[in-house]
Amino acid sequence: AQSVTQPDIHITVSEGASLELRCNYSYGATPYLFWYVQSPGQGLQLLLKYFSGDTLVQGIKGFEAEFKRSQSSFNLRKPSVHWSDAAEYFCAVVLDSSYKLIFGSGTRLLVRP
Amino acid sequence: EPEVTQTPSHQVTQMGQEVILRCVPISNHLYFYWYRQILGQKVEFLVSFYNNEISEKSEIFDDQFSVERPDGSNFTLKIRSTKLEDSAMYFCASNEGLMNTEAFFGQGTRLTVV
Repeated sequence: AQSVTQPDIHITVSEGASLELRCNYSYGATPYLFWYVQSPGQGLQLLLKYFSGDTLVQGIKGFEAEFKRSQSSFNLRKPSVHWSDAAEYFCAVVLDSSYKLIFGSGTRLLVRP
Repeated sequence: EPEVTQTPSHQVTQMGQEVILRCVPISNHLYFYWYRQILGQKVEFLVSFYNNEISEKSEIFDDQFSVERPDGSNFTLKIRSTKLEDSAMYFCASNEGLMNTEAFFGQGTRLTVV
């Protein structure tokens, strides 16, 4: 079945440690790829996006993501996590010209002091 | 910076009542969307709207739901007869509709049906 998978429901890291959140998709063609962040009770903020070209994309707040076609993955990374990064992170794809987003189930990031 | 605005931020309604959630998309955007997020779950697509008509809707978007762009700036989601399971955060989004552009989301309306 076509889907966006975020295999980790929760991840806990220590402040200052590196972070990688996983995202895989299962669609025939390469979709447009996005990462959104949602702080508690807040809306969705776009961290970064991939449409084409360079497979390593830089986003806001020091985040980056790498598109790997062979693995159908678009993992989100940050070299050093800050306490303010604690939030829910959603991977999402766009498959067609309607630009409708299909979201993964999210990964909740907890940051230990 | 232009933004999508949604009102109200929180609405409590009794089961069976009608609610209208309001959104003002970014002014030059052409595609408008409603998404829903039940507490603790993922964000789900409800409906997309383009050129003054629904372009796509999900299975969730049944006859209880309708959307409208009444005056060229507002974009509304109406739920005719609310059920307990309609309790969720509802997000409005808009997109320019050009190649390689992303959707911008509002802050959401938390709907609580009691």
